[in-house]
Amino acid sequence: DTEVTQTPKHLVMGMTNKKSLKCEQHMGHRAMYWYKQKAKKPPELMFVYSYEKLSINESVPSRFSPECPNSSLLNLHLHALQPEDSALYLCASSQEDYRNSQGTEAFFGQGTRLTVV
Amino acid sequence: ELKVEQNPLFLSMQEGKNYTIYCNYSTTSDRLYWYRQDPGKSLESLFVLLSNGAVKQEGRLMASLDTKARLSTLHITAAVHDLSATYFCAVDIIAGTYKYIFGTGTRLKVLA
Repeated sequence: DTEVTQTPKHLVMGMTNKKSLKCEQHMGHRAMYWYKQKAKKPPELMFVYSYEKLSINESVPSRFSPECPNSSLLNLHLHALQPEDSALYLCASSQEDYRNSQGTEAFFGQGTRLTVV
Repeated sequence: ELKVEQNPLFLSMQEGKNYTIYCNYSTTSDRLYWYRQDPGKSLESLFVLLSNGAVKQEGRLMASLDTKARLSTLHITAAVHDLSATYFCAVDIIAGTYKYIFGTGTRLKVLA
C-alpha cells in the first residue's frame, strides 16, 4: 500500500472559519510533510514532522497550525485565513532513514483544493 | 539558498519527436527525484536517482543524474499525447530531517 489519503478533497471556507485538513498513511513512514501549491507553481514546503515531532517550519504564518496525533496521521488546522491562502494543499510521507539505499522517495496524497472567500 | 531550476519552463512538441528537460540544482546532493503532475492532480513519482551516473528508464522516459555537474536530465523519446503534463524534479536535503525542494517545473504539451 503506497497510498496517502487526504480529506477533504475540496474545501471552501470564510476568513473567520476554523477548519482542518487531514492526512493518513499506513506505509510506516516516520516523516510527513505539508506542501502548498499555487497554480502553475512548484509545491512549497510548509512543515515537516519527523517521528511525530515538528522538525521543520518554513516560516509559515501562525494561522496554519500542524498537528501529528500519531505516526499515521497528520492534520493542518486552519484559522483566519486570507484569500491568498487559496491553493492546493498536499500531504506527503517518506521513510526516515538516512542510510536507506532505496532513497527517501516521497509519496503524495491527492491534495485538498482550498478556496478562501 | 538552495535553488532547483528546470529548463525549459514550457515545452510544446510534436508527437514522435525527442526532447530533453534539464534540472540544475545548487547544493551538494546525490539523490534526485522526478515527478509528474497532471492538471489539478497530485504528484506521481516517476524516477528515483540515488547516485552519480544513475540512469533509469520507463517507457518513453529516461532520467539520468550527474552529481558532479549538479544536473539531471529527463529525456523523452518519440513523444505521445499522453505524456502531456507538468514534470518536476526534486532534491532532498538533510536539514535535521529530509526535506524535498522542487524545481520550477516544466509544462509539457505534446501536440497530435
